[in-house]
Amino acid sequence: EVQLVQSGAEVKKPGESLKISCKGSGYSFTSYWIGWVRQMPGKGLEWMGIIYPGDSDTRYSPSFQGQVTISADKSISTAYLQWSSLKASDTAMYYCARLQVVAAMDLFDYWGQGTLVTVSS
Amino acid sequence: SSELTQDPAVSVALGQTVRITCQGDSLRSYYASWYQQKPGQAPVLVIYGKNNRPSGIPDRFSGSSSGNTASLTITGAQAEDEADYYCNSRDSSGNHYYVFGTGTKVTVL
Repeated sequence: EVQLVQSGAEVKKPGESLKISCKGSGYSFTSYWIGWVRQMPGKGLEWMGIIYPGDSDTRYSPSFQGQVTISADKSISTAYLQWSSLKASDTAMYYCARLQVVAAMDLFDYWGQGTLVTVSS
Repeated sequence: SSELTQDPAVSVALGQTVRITCQGDSLRSYYASWYQQKPGQAPVLVIYGKNNRPSGIPDRFSGSSSGNTASLTITGAQAEDEADYYCNSRDSSGNHYYVFGTGTKVTVL
């Protein structure tokens, strides 16, 4: 069974750093891209970026380039999303999702349960 | 980068049909996928490609596309279909860049 299990909720202060995780199981972790999606309170889904754990090839949405870092450790089937200096505006739910590409059709077929990040002084 | 525009909200009577649309230039080149999100839950894939449903998704959900518009249709809407729906497609920026639509809140009356 394919599963993406994310790390638990975090409460941080502005300026602090943070790294959240997404552990894949039940499939070949190195063979599928993993994307990250932000959902601010009461708002829609925003695509942040994506990584291919097989070779760590990474793409970022222009809106998030330079604001976050996406990485992966294929030895433990885990993808990461990190911030070096959090802002209150980073308060949101963050989801990871597996990208499947089938005959030129792109789909995020499995999702993590989400990690709630709260940034408050 | 591309944008995908959806109507903010639609309502449908129980058992009736509702169509949700997603407009954007990237849809002329790439298929959309559709996600259902209920309050407090992670999104769930409901339609992808031309008109494909993942295992476990009821056949009352269907998809179509024409020009720069992709559509998700719920035929015979049920109370449990009340949710937010988001489209997603590749972005025109290149391979493995993606964009979500603005989202549509579906209310079943």
